[in-house]
Amino acid sequence: RKEVEQDPGPFNVPEGATVAFNCTYSNSASQSFFWYRQDCRKEPKLLMSVYSSGNEDGRFTAQLNRASQYISLLIRDSKLSDSATYLCVVGGGADGLTFGKGTHLIIQP
Amino acid sequence: SQTIHQWPATLVQPVGSPLSLECTVEGTSNPNLYWYRQAAGRGLQLLFYSVGIGQISSEVPQNLSASRPQDRQFILSSKKLLLSDSGFYLCAWSTGGYGYTFGSGTRLTVV
Repeated sequence: RKEVEQDPGPFNVPEGATVAFNCTYSNSASQSFFWYRQDCRKEPKLLMSVYSSGNEDGRFTAQLNRASQYISLLIRDSKLSDSATYLCVVGGGADGLTFGKGTHLIIQP
Repeated sequence: SQTIHQWPATLVQPVGSPLSLECTVEGTSNPNLYWYRQAAGRGLQLLFYSVGIGQISSEVPQNLSASRPQDRQFILSSKKLLLSDSGFYLCAWSTGGYGYTFGSGTRLTVV
């Protein structure tokens, strides 16, 4: 059974702070890794892919640790608009991605 | 550019009634198509996926079915809805290992 585990939160973080999420996955054969963002009552949207070497997109940094089977997302200088649920997503083929249940982030002014 | 359309946005149906949700993709050929469901307070659950016309794989046993009559059309159906079928239904497509693009979803409430 493929599983992706995340801390559901909520994470209450003051505006401007740095926040980090981790997630773990059970399928060691997984090949694709992503972070999605889901706003309340909306569809998930791709935030960024996660590469073995780590990757950065503006204030967001994602890292993958294959040996320990975990993925991380770091958000620097958090904005009010970063408030959302962040979904850790893992996949390995055409049979679909496995989604974590998400980590709820609340940025407070 | 590729777009994905899903309708209706919201739906309230009585128990025992039929269901038909449609999803269409534009701007791409031979996409992999997926139906997911997100129940209240729960994660996204893969229901069906399709790698081509007429090819449907089911991930979980249930009273739902899916069909792919055309390359860019994916339909989710039920003959008789249950209360437990309530949820947020999302169609998604992909053409490779670059993540999925979701439609805007259908929020189904079975009463």
